[in-house]
Amino acid sequence: QVQLQESGPGLVKPSETLSLACSVSGGSISNYYWSWIRQPPGKGLEWIGYIYYTGNTNYNPSLKSRVTISVDTSKNQFSLKLSSVTAADTAMYYCARHIYSRSSGVYFDFWGQGILVTVSS
Amino acid sequence: DIQMTQSPSSLSASIGDRVTITCRASQSISTYLNWYQQKPGKAPKLLIYVASTLQSGVPSRFSGGGSGTDFTLTISSLQPEDFATYYCQQGFTTPNFFGQGTRLEIK
Repeated sequence: QVQLQESGPGLVKPSETLSLACSVSGGSISNYYWSWIRQPPGKGLEWIGYIYYTGNTNYNPSLKSRVTISVDTSKNQFSLKLSSVTAADTAMYYCARHIYSRSSGVYFDFWGQGILVTVSS
Repeated sequence: DIQMTQSPSSLSASIGDRVTITCRASQSISTYLNWYQQKPGKAPKLLIYVASTLQSGVPSRFSGGGSGTDFTLTISSLQPEDFATYYCQQGFTTPNFFGQGTRLEIK
């Protein structure tokens, strides 16, 4: 059973960079896509972007200018950086395994428990 | 971008009821539609993918249907553990937007 675990600071100051990592256990990060998804308190889900284990990425255009997702296959983990954060970036951040195929399209089958990141001075 | 609209936004129902939630895409997405269940304080859980395929371990009282732009999630007989928020998500193209959610509450 694949398990994902987010880690990183729970508090980030405005204008700084949010940095999170997602560790994958119970399976290899190779041969899969991996996504970051966030959820502001009391609101819906927003897909941030994905990375393939080879390093190919795709980001939500609404966040593209501020987002970087990277992968470290030797550590079986991938990471998120979101720059110039504001209070609007306060959210629960989830990492998820991103399944993609021509027959299935995209869905997210395994999720981390999430990490709450608050942007505040 | 493909926008997803769920209805209703909230729903009250009783144990044993049959419940249907609707999701509409702003353009055709074939059957690339997925459903998730989220309970308070927990991560979303995949229920159904490709419109009607039940994820492993999901009870058979859950079913999905539809194609093109209109989709449904049906729970045939509500159980206490089914009270949660449900989200649809289009898997046709990035950005892979989610619907706004449907909160299912106990009547």
